[in-house]
Amino acid sequence: NAGVTQTPKFQVLKTGQSMTLQCAQDMNHEYMSWYRQDPGMGLRLIHYSVGAGITDQGEVPNGYNVSRSTTEDFPLRLLSAAPSQTSVYFCASSLQGPEPQHFGDGTRLSIL
Amino acid sequence: ILNVEQSPQSLHVQEGDSTNFTCSFPSSNFYALHWYRWETAKSPEALFVMTLNGDEKKKGRISATLNTKEGYSYLYIKGSQPEDSATYLCAFRPYGGATNKLIFGTGTLLAVQP
Repeated sequence: NAGVTQTPKFQVLKTGQSMTLQCAQDMNHEYMSWYRQDPGMGLRLIHYSVGAGITDQGEVPNGYNVSRSTTEDFPLRLLSAAPSQTSVYFCASSLQGPEPQHFGDGTRLSIL
Repeated sequence: ILNVEQSPQSLHVQEGDSTNFTCSFPSSNFYALHWYRWETAKSPEALFVMTLNGDEKKKGRISATLNTKEGYSYLYIKGSQPEDSATYLCAFRPYGGATNKLIFGTGTLLAVQP
């Protein structure tokens, strides 16, 4: 099992550009989520999904879109990048219930 | 707004010392409490998921306790080693809904000096 795979690992964008962060898991997990991690703050939930075709907003959803067309994939889209979106982004997946979340290696994103 | 607090923010200990840190969370609407270990330049790795008041979990030299009535959990490391250096995160999952939404604390950064 590869676990949770995130691509790319690093990306630099200009303000106003759009891009998609990819996340894939091969563990047949129903639940997937995206977090951002900023200095001095805990991991903050952006969007999550409880299964294919079902997504919902987390704590900080503005400026991001998600979709879940398959169980395996959960891409995160930045529609028009802003410097405030400079952060490290983590994708995670888990089974439903009191189960641990499995994290990808993260994507370090810089918006100039 | 649900708050998860961790203390201390950082801790420096000598190799061989035992240490512990605290996670405080809302005492109502409890479903689960998670602990993760996060090494620099890596991704968080799950240590424990705790669900029952009075629960104690152990993994090698690391153990955790849970008090849901008063809203706290302790993580203990016995005989710290340099490889234990990492940030330790706790995350609270409230009850309700078919989701696994977690609310994370900001972590305790542990540095173990050889």
